[in-house]
Amino acid sequence: KAGVTQTPRYLIKTRGQQVTLSCSPISGHRSVSWYQQTPGQGLQFLFEYFSETQRNKGNFPGRFSGRQFSNSRSEMNVSTLELGDSALYLCASRPDGGAEQYFGPGTRLTVT
Amino acid sequence: GQNIDQPTEMTATEGAIVQINCTYQTSGFNGLFWYQQHAGEAPTFLSYNVLDGLEEKGRFSSFLSRSKGYSYLLLKELQMKDSASYLCAVKVTGGGNKLTFGTGTQLKVEL
Repeated sequence: KAGVTQTPRYLIKTRGQQVTLSCSPISGHRSVSWYQQTPGQGLQFLFEYFSETQRNKGNFPGRFSGRQFSNSRSEMNVSTLELGDSALYLCASRPDGGAEQYFGPGTRLTVT
Repeated sequence: GQNIDQPTEMTATEGAIVQINCTYQTSGFNGLFWYQQHAGEAPTFLSYNVLDGLEEKGRFSSFLSRSKGYSYLLLKELQMKDSASYLCAVKVTGGGNKLTFGTGTQLKVEL
């Protein structure tokens, strides 16, 4: 079974721009969560989706948004990029009835 | 909120045993996870504890004491490839599948 995939793997954007990141969960997994990882703050929860519904949201500004499609693929969007948004964005999927989350390789976003 | 503490760095010798501790303060505890993350890679799932006791999986074991807010990850027969960051994460009731992570313990395995 293929793992979680994320595209693109690397991205360079300029302050003020917006960006959309994509995540395809493991086949059959309907739960998708997004995390931001930075050297200073570590791994921080952004949001969780299940069957196209947002179930949980972390403490991030409204510039960070996401959605999930009927095939469980998920996207997250960051608008009006700031330098501090430079981070590794990780997506994780979880099997129904399971507790463990499986992470994708991440998208490395650099904001200049 | 939750507070999770782990040592920042540890060094151990190839072939030895190392124990990485994690303490947490949280309300509504609903499970503790350990992940391994090699530099530049995604975290990989190692273990999950929701009840007190020891869970063993090959060279890796994880222990949980809910009354003490304490867990440890035990790595036996250390190999050079075990050099990585080990992340402790907690899930709470009402938080869905949100994981709150500690800052990670950077383990260095030396010859």
